[in-house]
Amino acid sequence: TQLLEQSPQFLSIQEGENLTVYCNSSSVFSSLQWYRQEPGEGPVLLVTVVTGGEVKKLKRLTFQFGDARKDSSLHITAAQPGDTGLYLCAGHRDDKIIFGKGTRLHILP
Amino acid sequence: DVKVTQSSRYLVKRTGEKVFLECVQDMDHENMFWYRQDPGLGLRLIYFSYDVKMKEKGDIPEGYSVSREKKERFSLILESASTNQTSMYLCASSFYRSEQFFGPGTRLTVL
Repeated sequence: TQLLEQSPQFLSIQEGENLTVYCNSSSVFSSLQWYRQEPGEGPVLLVTVVTGGEVKKLKRLTFQFGDARKDSSLHITAAQPGDTGLYLCAGHRDDKIIFGKGTRLHILP
Repeated sequence: DVKVTQSSRYLVKRTGEKVFLECVQDMDHENMFWYRQDPGLGLRLIYFSYDVKMKEKGDIPEGYSVSREKKERFSLILESASTNQTSMYLCASSFYRSEQFFGPGTRLTVL
């Protein structure tokens, strides 16, 4: 069974702090997506990474795909309450999408 | 912007009722998906479709069926609802099979 492990499961930090969450697997993926989901809503696509070692930035969010395309990280600089939500990673392999269970992030004002 | 709409945000049904969940997308995507999301279990794929009239079972199809008569519409059917089908149901569509656009979800409660 292909698994995507996300860590930590839960993270609660103060506004203004930096944080990194991780998405790890033993499988190689053709691409990997990150989504953010707010309570009571569907996930919203943030980014897709395709190339090993690729780094993409979305304002204060930095996404990196591992060199071997097995893992990814999301770094948030100066977190704000609006960053609160469930962050999901999803890997694409052999025409299948594997979702991680997510990191639930809470930013305290 | 891609828009995926789901027929209801909240639904309460009784055990044994037939339940229809409708999903419509407006971006001419060929691929459509139904998931359920439960605490601690994450997103689980129920059914998906890569074309009109085509359907494939996902990881947990038992107790569900689907219909895709038109490209933009993908329906999930619970033939006889049971309490263990209480969940958040999410529909998604995609052009590339990797990047999915989700609807707002339907929170279904079966009493």
